[in-house]
Amino acid sequence: GAGVSQSPRYKVAKRGQDVALRCDPISGHVSLFWYQQALGQGPEFLTYFQNEAQLDKSGLPSDRFFAERPEGSVSTLKIQRTQQEDSAVYLCASSLAVVRGEGYGELFFGEGSRLTVL
Amino acid sequence: DQQVKQNSPSLSVQEGRISILNCDYTNSMFDYFLWYKKYPAEGPTFLISISSIKDKNEDGRFTVFLNKSAKHLSLHIVPSQPGDSAVYFCAASHYNQGGKLIFGQGTELSVKP
Repeated sequence: GAGVSQSPRYKVAKRGQDVALRCDPISGHVSLFWYQQALGQGPEFLTYFQNEAQLDKSGLPSDRFFAERPEGSVSTLKIQRTQQEDSAVYLCASSLAVVRGEGYGELFFGEGSRLTVL
Repeated sequence: DQQVKQNSPSLSVQEGRISILNCDYTNSMFDYFLWYKKYPAEGPTFLISISSIKDKNEDGRFTVFLNKSAKHLSLHIVPSQPGDSAVYFCAASHYNQGGKLIFGQGTELSVKP
């Protein structure tokens, strides 16, 4: 497809379960971002990849959160031992531009994966 | 601490009139600002951006103004249309952050026919 694809769209997990959320970015996009959006809030940065390198993971809230992008394309966000406070929409975004100039900051977002932890 | 703030959670405007959405920031290192628009059950989509070397950028019905001394930016939509009804997020970045964006909380715009 032409856009960023995320799966699953909806996930319900029991507290303590592990979950994995997948992101398929736009083909050729070098940069990939994960954001967490709580209800009524703006997206909050979690982590950033440039190709397969994870350059910034300063937004990951705890060591239960782990992200990877092994071949520089598809990315997976894994949450271990989920807690109720992990309930949110997880947004993936990709971008072509890595340096300042035309298109910089123009992230293309997927529709998100809504996680509900019971 | 909230580095990017949108203090109005909602705004209602009549079709054809001007919509003005406001955003304040605290980090003087920010040098690039963007507005995103979000419809329900969709991801945010890029709308317009402005570099800190400018004070205005215009794209059709959308204009973004930047006041660096006040650390304030605004988005003007003229004329407003019902299809503009959505949540609008402002976002900011600075050059050594690799494209990482800091978002505000969003303002829900409702344009009434």
